Amino acid sequence: GAGVSQSPSNKVTEKGKDVELRCDPISGHTALYWYRQSLGQGLEFLIYFQGNSAPDKSGLPSDRFSAERTGGSVSTLTIQRTQQEDSAVYLCASSLERGMGYEQYFGPGTRLTVT
Amino acid sequence: AQTVTQSQPEMSVQEAETVTLSCTYDTSENNYYLFWYKQPPSRQMILVIRQEAYKQQNATENRFSVNFQKAAKSFSLKISDSQLGDTAMYFCARSDFGNEKLTFGTGTRLTIIP
Repeated sequence: GAGVSQSPSNKVTEKGKDVELRCDPISGHTALYWYRQSLGQGLEFLIYFQGNSAPDKSGLPSDRFSAERTGGSVSTLTIQRTQQEDSAVYLCASSLERGMGYEQYFGPGTRLTVT
Repeated sequence: AQTVTQSQPEMSVQEAETVTLSCTYDTSENNYYLFWYKQPPSRQMILVIRQEAYKQQNATENRFSVNFQKAAKSFSLKISDSQLGDTAMYFCARSDFGNEKLTFGTGTRLTIIP
């Protein structure tokens, strides 16, 4: 079946602009995660959605970052007033459900460049 | 902060040889999960192997195996009979039971030399 998809694959934006990144998880997966991978760094957790529960936003670096998940499926990560330090690859992952250390399936990521 | 440490930024090995990637972690939890993910140049993160902390037996997946030392908080990955397709970044990661967010190490860039 189809894997996790993300769009766009690359995004170049000017400092101060808002951007929206999209994630389509695997059908039937109730858990969805956003991570950020900065150049030369590991992956940093941003936010986690599980079913109808309140999302875990503990990893969002500032209030310029927000995310929503509509209908328990597609998710959008929004970065307002982008800064150069926001340049990174943003990865989305989904898994069957919470608990038991289920494998997270990752999308190909969106490379964001803020100029 | 509960961290994951990979002390080898880069490694290289001849094709068909065996290589071991190191990972240590810090946690106060007793139940948790450990993972090795592979990220080739395509950027697609792929799960290589997974270990539940409550299991003493080391996980194996074909040419990939782990050496899990719970008391030492160590989780190394051994790749046997290495192949050119194993060239990638390898990330060690941890999650707690009931809290699925992954904490990653900074990765090891592995190059398999023909």
